[in-house]
This record gives sequence, C-alpha cells and structure tokens, in this order.
Amino acid sequence: NFMLTQTHSVSESPGKTVTISCTRSSGSIASNFVQWYQQRPGHSPTTVIYEDNRRPSGVPDRFSGSIVTSSNSASLTISGLKTEDEADYFCQSYDTTTAVFGGGTKLTVL
Amino acid sequence: QVELQESGPGLVKPSETLSLTCDVSGYSISSGYYWNWIRQSPEKGLEWIGTNSLGGNSFYNPSLKSRASISVDSSNNQFSLRLTSVTAADTAVYYCARSIRPFNWFDPWGQGTLVTVSS
Repeated sequence: NFMLTQTHSVSESPGKTVTISCTRSSGSIASNFVQWYQQRPGHSPTTVIYEDNRRPSGVPDRFSGSIVTSSNSASLTISGLKTEDEADYFCQSYDTTTAVFGGGTKLTVL
Repeated sequence: QVELQESGPGLVKPSETLSLTCDVSGYSISSGYYWNWIRQSPEKGLEWIGTNSLGGNSFYNPSLKSRASISVDSSNNQFSLRLTSVTAADTAVYYCARSIRPFNWFDPWGQGTLVTVSS
C-alpha cells in the first residue's frame, strides 16, 4: 500500500491564504480521487473537498482543491482565512484494495 | 438529512471481540451505497477499517489481518462492526460513515464512540 504525507502543522493570519499539501508515496496521485476533511476539536471529520476539487454544498468557495502531478501531490487551498477555519485537515485517497488517510495538518489561524 | 450514530460498549477486555452498531436515519440502507467503519487514535491517526454493501460487496484493511467483519441490516437500517482478538492497540474512537463507492468520499460520519481495550 501507499502512504499520504502531510505537513504536521501550519499557521497563518486571518484574511491570508494557506495551502496544505498531501504527497502520495507510490502510485500516481491522479489515478484515484483525493478528498479533504476538516476536523474541529471534539468533532467528527466533515468533507471540504471531494473528488480532487469538488465542494459539497455548504462549503464556502474559499476552499479549493487541486492535483499537482509533478510532485505527485494534492493541495488544499483556503483563502480569506477565518478563525473558524482553525482545525485539523486530513487528505484521503485509495487504491484497488484500501482507503488511506494522511496524518493530518493542524491549521492555526492567529 | 442523513445521520449516523454509533453505539456499543466503551470498554472491551483484551482478546475479546469488539462489537459496534451504527444506526442510520434519513436514508434507507436498501437504496444502496457502502457502509464503512473508520477509527482514529493518537498513535495511528485515521485508519479505514472496512466497508460493505447490502449486496455483500465487502473490503477490509489488510493490516487488520481478517479480524474485522461488517454486516449490513436493512430491516433495522443499521450496520455493525465486529473486531476479534482485540489488544490495547485497538483502543480508538470508532466512526461509522457512508460512501457512494468503496474507499471513496466518506460522508457523512457519525459522531464517533471511544472504545478502550483494557482488563
């Protein structure tokens, strides 16, 4: 199986833009969809991006996802940061036999 | 609005079997989709356990070495997890979640239930 590697933590100021990356260890990142989940303390994960770049209804367009084939990675970009965006963010993808989650990135908005 | 709710014992003894149930509301399991269990611990992070459909198309994380099984009950609109021969490493918050296809896009998730393995 493969692994998804994320930066452990990132911090940015309100109003700024932050990009969180997720690198796939083997196999092409473009071969299988990537999802991004937000998890606030004490809550279960919720989807902010699915199928690489699609937003569920209710998720603001400040959230966007992309695939970077040159680095075999996926990216989650959050623009116009708000304090309410402070949370853990997990990427997730799969192969033919299993689903895999990244280790998570803790976003601090200060 | 689809909602999932986990239930089951919060404490399980080592070597015994962990059993959890997920009640589904706002959606009929008979309509399709896949039903998943995912767990989260500080040591392993988020770990997908497995999935099953009403038709019995099931997949499990190979790392669990066949200890996990998921059953789907349309009559009660719920699905269940059994994890055998548990050890302290199985201590985690267990979530149930729906997916349209195997492995892909888990949504929504239940609120999670903490299971501790200890004597």
